[in-house]
Amino acid sequence: SAVISQKPSRDICQRGTSLTIQCQVDSQVTMMFWYRQQPGQSLTLIATANQGSEATYESGFVIDKFPISRPNLTFSTLTVSNLSPEDSSIYLCSVGGADSPLHFGNGTRLTVT
Amino acid sequence: QQPVQSPQAVILREGEDAVINCSSSKALYSVHWYRQKHGEAPVFLMILLKGGEQKGHDKISASFNEKKQQSSLYLTASQLSYSGTYFCGLQGAQKLVFGQGTRLTINP
Repeated sequence: SAVISQKPSRDICQRGTSLTIQCQVDSQVTMMFWYRQQPGQSLTLIATANQGSEATYESGFVIDKFPISRPNLTFSTLTVSNLSPEDSSIYLCSVGGADSPLHFGNGTRLTVT
Repeated sequence: QQPVQSPQAVILREGEDAVINCSSSKALYSVHWYRQKHGEAPVFLMILLKGGEQKGHDKISASFNEKKQQSSLYLTASQLSYSGTYFCGLQGAQKLVFGQGTRLTINP
């Protein structure tokens, strides 16, 4: 199974700033997925990052707020922009899915003050 | 559309059994099950790819009833290590949509 390194593991940010989360996979993958998990809630898909094309965003998530980069088949970044306390969540990158297991990075716990 | 899990929470004593259900208003093509412990990322348990399929390892198994649009996760003779939140995930359009989760607490 894929090994996923995600960083930072946690951060405390001020309102109005941005945080960029990095996700590195030990093998080449076509799609990478970014999820958000608000406190005590389920996992909600933010977007699917495809190498060589624009990310595909889910309803309720927009590129201006959550810009994603996917420069190659092993790396992706998610930026959470113009932070507000409502953005305090755990953000997870993942690979796999469909007929195979979804593997997650260890997550980034973001607290916005 | 988000699948519906039931119950939302279960408290058991070690050695007791539990069943967690996952249902959908849409046709199911494949069902994933994950467990998440507090402060950790979700961990894959199993996938069921077709109706009628049943899988299991150790004392955790699952079934998939495509006609009922439902999957169930069975935990038998529960161990303390089974505590956590269980999520089912439904596959569609190259993405996985998770249920709201079932919190399982195992007490000694």
